Amino acid sequence: KQEVTQIPAALSVPEGENLVLNCSFTDSAIYNLQWFRQDPGKGLTSLLLIQSSQREQTSGRLNASLDKSSGRSTLYIAASQPGDSATYLCAVPQGGSEKLVFGKGTKLTVNP
Amino acid sequence: NAGVTQTPKFRILKIGQSMTLQCTQDMNHNYMYWYRQDPGMGLKLIYYSVGAGITDKGEVPNGYNVSRSTTEDFPLRLELAAPSQTSVYFCASSHLGGVDTEAFFGQGTRLTVV
Repeated sequence: KQEVTQIPAALSVPEGENLVLNCSFTDSAIYNLQWFRQDPGKGLTSLLLIQSSQREQTSGRLNASLDKSSGRSTLYIAASQPGDSATYLCAVPQGGSEKLVFGKGTKLTVNP
Repeated sequence: NAGVTQTPKFRILKIGQSMTLQCTQDMNHNYMYWYRQDPGMGLKLIYYSVGAGITDKGEVPNGYNVSRSTTEDFPLRLELAAPSQTSVYFCASSHLGGVDTEAFFGQGTRLTVV
């Protein structure tokens, strides 16, 4: 059974700092990994999708990497801003299906 | 495009009442999902559908039912509501499958059972 862990559960940083969020998964037989952002009381917004054949994917100040063999992904946020404050979740498919298994998320607070 | 639309946004139910959470998507996606999100517990899959007329159970299906009569709609039915069903419910959809499958989520329905 696929299990996803995100560390840390919460992170507080000053504005402008570069930071890394971590995601690990137990079953490396995945065909992609997705990072989401969730604002309080809102739904999930897809940030980045990394295919299993890719090592990394970039969107603006966000860069996500994937290491299937070690069961790890990282989300790098450059020059953090208060508007980046949210909960970040990663998700991978369960056992070759399209059913996503989620981590519990990392709650990020960027202080002005 | 509206994407994935859920109604209602908020609802308070009494124990034993029933209700239907509505979900519709306008992206012609064949896959649709219902998740629940509890504080500190992440998202758990309740039911999913790979196309009209086809549904299957997820990780936590007890107390819920679904139907998929059209590609666009995937309602979630709660029969005999219980306090344990107090949660935030998210509907999601995705197209096809495989490496390019990207899931899109609705804004959620916050349900309280008292």
